Amino acid sequence: LAKTTQPISMDSYEGQEVNITCSHNNIATNDYITWYQQFPSQGPRFIIQGYKTKVTNEVASLFIPADRKSSTLSLPRVSLSDTAVYYCLVGERAGRRALTFGSGTRLQVQP
Amino acid sequence: DVKVTQSSRYLVKRTGEKVFLECVQDMDHENMFWYRQDPGLGLRLIYFSYDVKMKEKGDIPEGYSVSREKKERFSLILESASTNQTSMYLCASSPDGGLYGYTFGSGTRLTVV
Repeated sequence: LAKTTQPISMDSYEGQEVNITCSHNNIATNDYITWYQQFPSQGPRFIIQGYKTKVTNEVASLFIPADRKSSTLSLPRVSLSDTAVYYCLVGERAGRRALTFGSGTRLQVQP
Repeated sequence: DVKVTQSSRYLVKRTGEKVFLECVQDMDHENMFWYRQDPGLGLRLIYFSYDVKMKEKGDIPEGYSVSREKKERFSLILESASTNQTSMYLCASSPDGGLYGYTFGSGTRLTVV
C-alpha cells in the first residue's frame, strides 16, 4: 500500500463542512483511494472509494485532483454523530493483501 | 448485510492463560483478518488468512497464533497471555484482499491481569 499522510486530529462544529486531506505522493497507476470511518468502540467501516475526479455518496464526497497525489474527504454539515476517526488508504482495489491502517484523523465535532 | 461476529465483547484473563478469541462471518468471504488496536497506535495487523488452513503473519504476530479450520471461522490464540496483550481485538473479513469491502466485527476488549 502507498504511504499516506493525514492530519492527526481536527475539530469542527455542528453544521459545518469538514474537509480532511490525505497526501499520497507515491500512488501507483492501479491504486484506488479509500476511506474508512471508525466510531468509538466499533470496528472501521467503509465509507467511500475513488480513482479520480469526484465521487459522492450519501455519507461523503471524495475529491481527487488530476495528479492523484492527494485527496480530500468532504463531510457536509457534520453532526455530533460524525465524531470518529477517519482513515485514508491507498492501494489496489482487489488483491491478496491485508489492509494496513495508519493512525487516521480524529474528528471531534462540537455542539 | 455481512455480519462478522466476535464471540466475546469483554474478556478478563490471567497472565499465562491460553486465550481463544473466536470470529465468525456469514457471507462466504475468502479472507479473514485479526487486528489489535491500542491508543495512539492505530490498528495493527496480527495475522490474516486467504483460505482454509492457510495463514500469514501480519506486522505483530509474536505471542499469537491463529486457526482457520472452516471458511467462516477464524480464531486468534494467545498461547500464554501477558499484560502487554491487553488490547481491543478486531476481526474482519473481505471477499478479496483489496481496499474495498472490509467488514469488521464489534471487537473484543481483552484485559490480562
